[in-house]
Amino acid sequence: KNQVEQSPQSLIILEGKNCTLQCNYTVSPFSNLRWYKQDTGRGPVSLTIMTFSENTKSNGRYTATLDADTKQSSLHITASQLSDSASYICVVSSGNQFYFGTGTSLTVIP
Amino acid sequence: KAGVTQTPRYLIKTRGQQVTLSCSPISGHRSVSWYQQTPGQGLQFLFEYFSETQRNKGNFPGRFSGRQFSNSRSEMNVSTLELGDSALYLCASSWTGADLEYGYTFGSGTRLTVV
Repeated sequence: KNQVEQSPQSLIILEGKNCTLQCNYTVSPFSNLRWYKQDTGRGPVSLTIMTFSENTKSNGRYTATLDADTKQSSLHITASQLSDSASYICVVSSGNQFYFGTGTSLTVIP
Repeated sequence: KAGVTQTPRYLIKTRGQQVTLSCSPISGHRSVSWYQQTPGQGLQFLFEYFSETQRNKGNFPGRFSGRQFSNSRSEMNVSTLELGDSALYLCASSWTGADLEYGYTFGSGTRLTVV
């Protein structure tokens, strides 16, 4: 069964600290993997998109990694800011099908 | 350029009623997808339209339907509303629906509450 699991479900960190969010998937065949950030009351915004051959991709303070062999991805946030407080959603696509994780809710506190 | 526009932003309906939600994609985008987001289930794919044709469909009952117009604007209809239909409904558009580079652009959603 094609599934995407994210951990932790929620996370609270101090401003300025780093954190890593995890995404494990069983989707096959694999097309690409996206990380989205969703602020409360808003639609998701794409952070990174990675294909099978890419191991790492950065977008400012966000760095995504992909291990296609173990079917794991992580999103590392460096020097967190209050504005990073949001839900982070991992989406794995297989052809025209999309499989969503339920997200990690991140709260950054001062 | 304008983003994906969804209207209305908020909606309250009574059980048994029907509702129509609207989505205007980014200019030039031909693919429009709809998603339901609830706290318990997260994001779930409803369906995707491309050039006025439904190309993909998620696992939702027939009460959920949609259509796309020649200008790529899309509407989603839910008939015989149930309390469980209360959710944030998101629309996303892209050039072709399988963009590796640009991905999807989401609207801010329509918050539907069924009472």
